[in-house]
Amino acid sequence: EVQLVESGGGLVKPGGSLRLSCAASGFSFSSYSMYWVRQAPGKGLEWVSSISSSSRYIYYADSVKGRFTISRDNAKNSMYLQMNSLRDEDTAVYYCAKQIVPDSTSSYYFDYWGQGTLVTVSS
Amino acid sequence: EIVLTQSPATLSLSPGERATLSCRASQSLSSYLAWYQHKPGQAPRLLIYDASNRATGIPARFSGSGSGTDFTLTISSLEPEDFAVYYCQQRSNWPPAFGPGTKVDIK
Repeated sequence: EVQLVESGGGLVKPGGSLRLSCAASGFSFSSYSMYWVRQAPGKGLEWVSSISSSSRYIYYADSVKGRFTISRDNAKNSMYLQMNSLRDEDTAVYYCAKQIVPDSTSSYYFDYWGQGTLVTVSS
Repeated sequence: EIVLTQSPATLSLSPGERATLSCRASQSLSSYLAWYQHKPGQAPRLLIYDASNRATGIPARFSGSGSGTDFTLTISSLEPEDFAVYYCQQRSNWPPAFGPGTKVDIK
């Protein structure tokens, strides 16, 4: 059974930092691109960042570029999101998601998602 | 960047009724569109990909259609567990983008 479990969320002041983790199991983690998607309170889903299976290709939404860093450790079946210089507008539930097709840079649908971890940025 | 719009914003229906949700793109997506179901406190669930292909384990009452800029998700007969928010998502042009969602609630 595929499982994605996020952790690391919490309350942080503006300008602060957090590191989110996503622990994966039940599939060949090292073969799949992985994604972070967030949902701000009362809003829809927003893609945040993505990382290819080998970490060769990394992308960020403009809203987080230069502040967030995505990474993965295939030996540990884990993905991370280092979030620095946090702003009020980064408040959201952050989901990790798995791409539907392995070893592809074009088939970016998400067939499994975690339950999410809440990040609250507030003074 | 491609912009997706969804209509209606809210759809109020009774169990057993048919639901028809629309997603429109700012430019052609060919067939590169997916639909997700999202319930509060739960992980989003992939329903349909490439406009009309049901994902693994998705009941046959969910169907998708369309191509180009206009797409439809149809739920043939609403079950109690189908009341949720539904999002469309495109993979035609990077970056992946979601529509604003349609909430299907109980009338």
